[in-house]
Amino acid sequence: EVVLTQSPDTLSVFPGERATLSCRASQTVNSNLAWYQQKPGEAPSLLIYGASTRATGVPARFSGSGSGTEFTLTISSLQSEDFAVYFCQQYNHGPWTFGLGTKVEI
Amino acid sequence: QLQLQLSGPGLVKPSETLSLTCTVSGGAVSRTNYYWGWVRQPPGKGLEWIGSIYYTGSTDYNPSLRSRLTISVDPSKNQFSLNLSSVTAADTAVYYCARPVRGALLQDWGKGTTVTVSS
Repeated sequence: EVVLTQSPDTLSVFPGERATLSCRASQTVNSNLAWYQQKPGEAPSLLIYGASTRATGVPARFSGSGSGTEFTLTISSLQSEDFAVYFCQQYNHGPWTFGLGTKVEI
Repeated sequence: QLQLQLSGPGLVKPSETLSLTCTVSGGAVSRTNYYWGWVRQPPGKGLEWIGSIYYTGSTDYNPSLRSRLTISVDPSKNQFSLNLSSVTAADTAVYYCARPVRGALLQDWGKGTTVTVSS
């Protein structure tokens, strides 16, 4: 199965700063990569799919890029509600797999 | 607005079967082209795709769980269910039911439930 490696494990940033999260796949997943945000005690919510398409209602400060094996999620200016854990998911090869997550903390 | 409500026991004994049900409101489980799925998250760890079922009844299971897993749909109750047999402590996790768009993108989620496997 495809292994997704996210880095860093934890990202400490100030509100208003830019955050860049990485997801690397063990084999190509084309552009079949999604990003989810998970806040404590909640289910994840879909942010990005197709590597770069924002899901409905997701603010423009969230952007995704990449294809093949290297992907990036960028949050241009962190708001208080953005401090959470972010997971990537590939859906190019079954079974769909997820990265272990990056925690974005204040 | 689609809503998913998960129900089931919070504690299961080793070697027994874990059974969870997800009740759907705001839409029919038999709706054309809809998938329904299950995901879990062990304590302090990442997410694991368990499997999904298409509105036709066709299933897609994670190979690591296939031998122990059954996912089914009950249109009369507007529910879909997960049965995982011969559980061990490794099956302890928060379990989520969800609607995967295109069979993969987890668009709608139920509130997770913690299932602990312990005697």
